[in-house]
Amino acid sequence: NAGVTQTPKFQVLKTGQSMTLQCAQDMNHNSMYWYRQDPGMGLRLIYYSASEGTTDKGEVPNGYNVSRLNKREFSLRLESAAPSQTSVYFCASRGQGAAEQYFGPGTRLTVT
Amino acid sequence: SQKIEQNSEALNIQEGKTATLTCNYTNYSPAYLQWYRQDPGRGPVFLLLIRENEKEKRKERLKVTFDTTLKQSLFHITASQPADSATYLCAPQPMQGGKLIFGQGTELSVKP
Repeated sequence: NAGVTQTPKFQVLKTGQSMTLQCAQDMNHNSMYWYRQDPGMGLRLIYYSASEGTTDKGEVPNGYNVSRLNKREFSLRLESAAPSQTSVYFCASRGQGAAEQYFGPGTRLTVT
Repeated sequence: SQKIEQNSEALNIQEGKTATLTCNYTNYSPAYLQWYRQDPGRGPVFLLLIRENEKEKRKERLKVTFDTTLKQSLFHITASQPADSATYLCAPQPMQGGKLIFGQGTELSVKP
């Protein structure tokens, strides 16, 4: 099992450009999450999906959109990137009835 | 607003000693509290979960306590090893399956 995979690993964007971060899990988990991690701030929840077909805002959703394409895949889109979105982005998943989350390796995004 | 605080300064200890990391929370009454380990350039990895009605939980060299009166969790690593060097994140949770709120993490360095 690959667990949670994320693409790309690194990305540099110019202000105003758009991009989609991809996440997939092969553990048959219902819930999936997108976090961003900034120095000294800890992990902050952007969006989550409790099950296929549903998405909800987290703590810092502004500037982002998500799509739960199917049970395996949960993508995060930046429509018009801003320097404040420079961060490391983590996708995570959680199984039904479980508490722990499984994280992907992260995408390091720089917006210039 | 809910606030999670972990030791902001890195913790440096000698191999073989016990490392103790602190997680304090305010304006919050979590039913669960999770601890994760994060290595540089990688996603967090789940270590332990403790419930509000459990005072203490152990797993191999790890021990977690949860004091709902003090609003504090302590994370202990006994007989520490250089391989334990990492950042440790606490994440209180309001209910099973509820959203996690992560602390900013404490960096632990174990010297041989």
